[in-house]
Amino acid sequence: DAGVIQSPRHEVTEMGQEVTLRCKPISGHDYLFWYRQTMMRGLELLIYFNNNVPIDDSGMPEDRFSAKMPNASFSTLKIQPSEPRDSAVYFCASSLLAGGPHTQYFGPGTRLTVL
Amino acid sequence: AQSVAQPEDQVNVAEGNPLTVKCTYSVSGNPYLFWYVQYPNRGLQFLLKYITGDNLVKGSYGFEAEFNKSQTSFHLKKPSALVSDSALYFCAVRGVSGRDDKIIFGKGTRLHILP
Repeated sequence: DAGVIQSPRHEVTEMGQEVTLRCKPISGHDYLFWYRQTMMRGLELLIYFNNNVPIDDSGMPEDRFSAKMPNASFSTLKIQPSEPRDSAVYFCASSLLAGGPHTQYFGPGTRLTVL
Repeated sequence: AQSVAQPEDQVNVAEGNPLTVKCTYSVSGNPYLFWYVQYPNRGLQFLLKYITGDNLVKGSYGFEAEFNKSQTSFHLKKPSALVSDSALYFCAVRGVSGRDDKIIFGKGTRLHILP
């Protein structure tokens, strides 16, 4: 298995532009998680899905952030409009089940820089 | 509420010496505990987890962790450190009881192995 795939690996954009981050979870995993990592705040859970349905989006910082999962093999995290404070590394993770001892497997991340 | 603390931002160890990265947790009831490692410009990689049973858990790359219920700790250890162990290490917890699907991550400890 190729593991969790994220694209792009790096994104540089200007303030006000729309940014779309993409994630392909491990095949067969029913749960997908989006995290953000910064030096100041560490690793933050933004939103997670179960069987393509958003379960908890309480970590999404603002209405500028939105996430979708149109099918079991693809998810997007969109920021519109982007701001410099959105600069961070965004990780996608998936797991077979959630709760209990089930392990989350992380993608390589997308490093976002908003100028 | 669940929480996890990693009291050290950075740990420095000479190559060949034993290493310990500390983690304490707080959950209602019994915990599931995890250690992840993050190498530069990479996603988090699963190292090991405690579910139940033997308090000493063995994981990848020669790492092990000891679960101590009375001290609510789950310290990561390795008998002989390698320079290649230098990375960022995250402890994480999820409560056994309840229906919480989320894992709570610590802020991370940067391990620096000195040649």
